[in-house]
Order: sequence, then C-alpha cells, then structure tokens
Amino acid sequence: NAGVMQNPRHLVRRRGQEARLRCSPMKGHSHVYWYRQLPEEGLKFMVYLQKENIIDESGMPKERFSAEFPKEGPSILRIQQVVRGDSAAYFCASSPPTGVGEQYFGPGTRLTVT
Amino acid sequence: KNEVEQSPQNLTAQEGEFITINCSYSVGISALHWLQQHPGGGIVSLFMLSSGKKKHGRLIATINIQEKHSSLHITASHPRDSAVYICAARGIGYQGAQKLVFGQGTRLTINP
Repeated sequence: NAGVMQNPRHLVRRRGQEARLRCSPMKGHSHVYWYRQLPEEGLKFMVYLQKENIIDESGMPKERFSAEFPKEGPSILRIQQVVRGDSAAYFCASSPPTGVGEQYFGPGTRLTVT
Repeated sequence: KNEVEQSPQNLTAQEGEFITINCSYSVGISALHWLQQHPGGGIVSLFMLSSGKKKHGRLIATINIQEKHSSLHITASHPRDSAVYICAARGIGYQGAQKLVFGQGTRLTINP
C-alpha cells in the first residue's frame, strides 16, 4: 500500500510564476490536509478537503492560494504569482473516511521562489 | 502565547540517556499527535493518543487530559533518534477535529 505521494519534491519558481503542488492520498483515504512549514518555523494548517469539497480553508491566505481535490486525480495546491515569502515546505496528509484517525504525511514539496 | 507549547526547544544528550520532551496545550482537544521530522524533512506519525499512555519500542507517550499536558519519552537513546519531535493537538467539533495545531518542535541531538 503506497503511502501519501507528493510531487514534485522540489520546485523552483521565479517571482510572478504559478506553482502547482500535487498530493495523492493513500489508497482508500478520502480526506486531504495541506500544511505549510516556513523556514525555521513550525507547521501550520492551510486547508482540509474531502473529495470535491473544501471543508476548512481557514489557514489559507485569502489571495493567490487555492486548493482542490477532484473526484478523480490528486489534490492540487495552486499558488499564483508566487513571491519570495511563499518559499517553504508544503506537506499534505491524508486520513481514512472516518476523518478522525491518524493523518499520514507525504514527503513534502520544497518550493523555492527566486 | 501559542495554543501548543513544547519544551525544551533544543535538547542534546549522550547515547543511552533517557529523554523527555514536554507538550502543553491550552485548547480542548480530541487527540494529541506526536510526530518525528528527520533532517531530510519527511514527517512520520509516532503516536496519536487521547488518554493514558502508549508505547512503541523505545518510545513512550503519555497524556494528562486534566492538566493539558503530554510527554514523549525515549529510553536508551541512540544517535538515529536525532530529529525534530513535534506535538500537534487535534481540536474538537466537526471542523476542529480535522485541524492539527502544531507545537514549534523540539530539536533532539543524540551524541555517540
């Protein structure tokens, strides 16, 4: 049973470009969470999604950031017009349909904005 | 004040020592998680607990709900235990129960 997969593992973007981060949850998991870890800071919740629904996006910046989890395919975290302050590690985690069990983390995507 | 506080922030010890990392939280929780983040950056879930104590190998996690406090212990520590240990509180309620609030992490270094 493959774990949570994220790609790319490393992403370099110039200021103003778009960044798309992908997360494939563990098989059978229908809940996805995105977290951000800024350099030298702790992890922070961004958004919680179930298939085709955003349940809680209270941690997501209001502008430039969006997330989706379509019926088919991976969850996507999209950052438009990236700025240097977006440079961080972005982790996704998934949990089974009960939604209150363990969260299993992916390896993360390290975004560098130059 | 953060909702989840860990101490110490940094801990250096000799191989074989007994290690304790503390986590205090100020909000109601449905569960508390302990995570391990290795130098490469990957995050592994160690424990999820809502009461009492759990043990896995040399790792022990305890929680006191009344005192809003949890501890992670490592017995017979080894250099490969060197990592950042993070506690995370899971809230209550429909949305809160899905959201993890993280401590700042404790950077543990075990010297041979």
